[in-house]
Amino acid sequence: KQEVTQIPAALSVPEGENLVLNCSFTDSAIYNLQWFRQDPGKGLTSLLLIQSSQREQTSGRLNASLDKSSGRSTLYIAASQPGDSATYLCAVNQAGTALIFGKGTTLSVSS
Amino acid sequence: GAVVSQHPSWVICKSGTSVKIECRSLDFQATTMFWYRQFPKQSLMLMATSNEGSKATYEQGVEKDKFLINHASLTLSTLTVTSAHPEDSSFYICSARGETRNQPQHFGDGTRLSIL
Repeated sequence: KQEVTQIPAALSVPEGENLVLNCSFTDSAIYNLQWFRQDPGKGLTSLLLIQSSQREQTSGRLNASLDKSSGRSTLYIAASQPGDSATYLCAVNQAGTALIFGKGTTLSVSS
Repeated sequence: GAVVSQHPSWVICKSGTSVKIECRSLDFQATTMFWYRQFPKQSLMLMATSNEGSKATYEQGVEKDKFLINHASLTLSTLTVTSAHPEDSSFYICSARGETRNQPQHFGDGTRLSIL
């Protein structure tokens, strides 16, 4: 059974810092992996999607990497801003069906 | 990008009421829609998968007679929580995907359901 783990569970940083969020999964047979952002009481905003054949994807200040063989992905956020404060969720698409989510990393960026 | 609209965003109702939540894909055909449930400070847990024109597939432990799912068209799926009780209070989120299995899923904004 696929399990997705995110470390750390919570992270507080001052504005301007670069940071890395970690995601690991137990079964490397995945179609793709997605990173989402969730604001309190809100739905999910898709940030980046990495297909199983890809190594990384970039969007603005965000860069996500995927090492499928080791079951790991990282989300790198450059020059963090207070507006980046949210919960970041990692999810894997294993069988082309529903996503399997980690519990998320709650990020707080102080000004 | 693809947009999924979920309605209502917040419902407060009395115990015993049935509540219907709609999930619409606005600019693409959603062959498959998923319904998730999220408890406070927890991650999303899949409740059921629905394919257009077919019966929904429910995850273990999810009562199909309690959570009725209809996916009658390629743009609309509904979740009806029948005879809701306080323990059904939660955040319900739908997602939609096109035909291809490696396509991204697009999520609605969620529905916060509070049963008094």
